[in-house]
Amino acid sequence: DTAVSQTPKYLVTQMGNDKSIKCEQNLGHDTMYWYKQDSKKFLKIMFSYNNKELIINETVPNRFSPKSPDKAHLNLHINSLELGDSAVYFCASSLLRWGTEAFFGQGTRLTVV
Amino acid sequence: GQQVMQIPQYQHVQEGEDFTTYCNSSTTLSNIQWYKQRPGGHPVFLIQLVKSGEVKKQKRLTFQFGEAKKNSSLHITATQTTDVGTYFCAGLVYNTDKLIFGTGTRLQVFP
Repeated sequence: DTAVSQTPKYLVTQMGNDKSIKCEQNLGHDTMYWYKQDSKKFLKIMFSYNNKELIINETVPNRFSPKSPDKAHLNLHINSLELGDSAVYFCASSLLRWGTEAFFGQGTRLTVV
Repeated sequence: GQQVMQIPQYQHVQEGEDFTTYCNSSTTLSNIQWYKQRPGGHPVFLIQLVKSGEVKKQKRLTFQFGEAKKNSSLHITATQTTDVGTYFCAGLVYNTDKLIFGTGTRLQVFP
C-alpha cells in the first residue's frame, strides 16, 4: 500500500500540449505539496495545500494549476507545455502544515519534446 | 527570496572515510529536516532538528542545528556503499509554511 502515489510515472509529450499529473495520499495528512526537481537535482516548492486550501503558491507560471478535490488528492494540470517544463515532479504530504516530516511520491518524469 | 545552500555540491569518498555536508540558510529557520535521495528515487526523510544547537545521532549519522538556527550539518562516519545518494537539508522558514530544500550534496562512495 503506497503512502503517496502519483501517476503517471513517466510522461512524454509535445510542446503546446496540456497534461495532468495525479497524486493521492492514504496517510490521512492535512498538507500536500508539489515540488519540481530539475536536471541539476534542485528541489523547488511549487504549491502547498492544507485541507484543500492553497497556502503556498511560489512564482510558478500560471500555466500550472493545482487542484485539490479533497485533502487526500492534489492534482497538477499544466497547459501549453514548454521545453523548460521537462523535470521530475514530486508530490508530497505531511501531517501538519508547519514543517512536519514530508512523505514523497515516486515522482513523475515529464519530458517535453 | 529565501535560499538554502549546501556545500559541497559533490563528494567522492573511499569506503570507510568520513563525509560531511553543510547547510546554510539566508534566513532564520524554525526547524531543519534532512532527506536522502537515492539515484532514481525520491527524497526520504531522515531526521528533524528543532532546537538551537541541537545534536542528534542515528547510528553512523550525526546531525547538528546551529545556534543561530541558520545552519546545519550532517556527518557520516565510516561511509558505506549504501550511503550513496544525494543528501538534502530542508528548512522551514521562520513564521511561514515554506519548507525550502537545500541545493543538495551528491555523495559517491567507492568500494
